[in-house]
Amino acid sequence: GEQVEQLPSSLIVQEGASVLINCSYTDSASVYFPWYKQEPGKRLQFIIDIRSNMERKQTQRLTLLFDKKTKHLSLHITATQPGDSAIYFCSASLDSNYQLIWGSGTKLIIKP
Amino acid sequence: DMKVTQMPRYLIKRMGENVLLECGQDMSHETMYWYRQDPGLGLQLIYISYDVDSNSEGDIPKGYRVSRKKREHFSLILDSAKTNQTSVYFCASSLEGAEDTQYFGPGTRLLVL
Repeated sequence: GEQVEQLPSSLIVQEGASVLINCSYTDSASVYFPWYKQEPGKRLQFIIDIRSNMERKQTQRLTLLFDKKTKHLSLHITATQPGDSAIYFCSASLDSNYQLIWGSGTKLIIKP
Repeated sequence: DMKVTQMPRYLIKRMGENVLLECGQDMSHETMYWYRQDPGLGLQLIYISYDVDSNSEGDIPKGYRVSRKKREHFSLILDSAKTNQTSVYFCASSLEGAEDTQYFGPGTRLLVL
């Protein structure tokens, strides 16, 4: 079945820097890729998503890039702030009738 | 205010005891989920419920069962808890399917001694 892998597993950057979180999946039939964020002590929350018919999606300081050929996604966060410190999860789904398959998460720490 | 609630937030049980984790949502969402989160493993789906009395196994259903008698409530039951069921359990809900945003509860931290 589908597998989702995230790299790196953890990342420490200085406030203001940009970061890149990578995600790869195995099932070429996957069509929907939401990302969630889990800040310390808080519940997971949706941050951005992309569908397989798109290459790029941007919202505020987040840019999500999608490469269907290589089955790879990248989440780019610019001008990082302490509030960006969180675990970021990539996930994939075949379509609305299928469950999300989750990556193991990337722990991002922003140093003030 | 859209919200998913979980009770209890923390629980300590002895091996062999029964455990009941409860989840509620006030958004009239059809679909609800139970996940467990272990370090380095991300979220693993235990059960998914598509509506009242319409439940399906996820990736790791063994040792768990669920109950959904009302759309707004979804319970996770561990009959005779095992130490390897020590974990953080998250409930989530979504309007319908996998392409709808999932709203998560705050989690229940379960320790089985």
